[in-house]
Amino acid sequence: AQKITQTQPGMFVQEKEAVTLDCTYDTSDQSYGLFWYKQPSSGEMIFLIYQGSYDEQNATEGRYSLNFQKARKSANLVISASQLGDSAMYFCAMREGRYSGGSNYKLTFGKGTLLTVNP
Amino acid sequence: NAGVTQTPKFQVLKTGQSMTLQCAQDMNHNSMYWYRQDPGMGLRLIYYSASEGTTDKGEVPNGYNVSRLNKREFSLRLESAAPSQTSVYFCASSERVSNQPQHFGDGTRLSIL
Repeated sequence: AQKITQTQPGMFVQEKEAVTLDCTYDTSDQSYGLFWYKQPSSGEMIFLIYQGSYDEQNATEGRYSLNFQKARKSANLVISASQLGDSAMYFCAMREGRYSGGSNYKLTFGKGTLLTVNP
Repeated sequence: NAGVTQTPKFQVLKTGQSMTLQCAQDMNHNSMYWYRQDPGMGLRLIYYSASEGTTDKGEVPNGYNVSRLNKREFSLRLESAAPSQTSVYFCASSERVSNQPQHFGDGTRLSIL
């Protein structure tokens, strides 16, 4: 079973509208973290937002927010007021466990969602 | 503000050739990572180094070796390149703190003919 599932290979949104990118995860750890990265066509990986498994509030960073539903094991990224510059590939990633050696440093990535913002 | 620097940015090799991808970070991070990105596959961890002096295998280590030269530098070596290793390679670094993200270099696009 995949640890991170992004079910939307591609999404389209009109400029200035909000869009939700889906991410579900699978883990048996109680402590884990979820990250979202943006990869524009230029190729670099840009960190957007983080949600810890024990965080009670949904994370927000500017126009980015994370809709974290722990019981459903989902961590959807919400982009408000989309801009043309938001067109990119978006990756959800999970780090399991605490930093105590072994595989706890590993980030497991989903396959990504390609977002296109139309003018 | 260099962050994570990877060299080279592009490389073409012939099957069987060897090469080393270089990575250096200036953020004083303890942990460093090498990933490969293939179309439709996301990023997959090749090797990581939790701290200076240690390295461990990730998800797809076969055909690669790594060296953590010092705290700043973490290199990835292909001893005998194969076409299946054609990919984009990313180096990343992070602090050993739960909520801190990994910071990525700009990637190396490697083609093996």
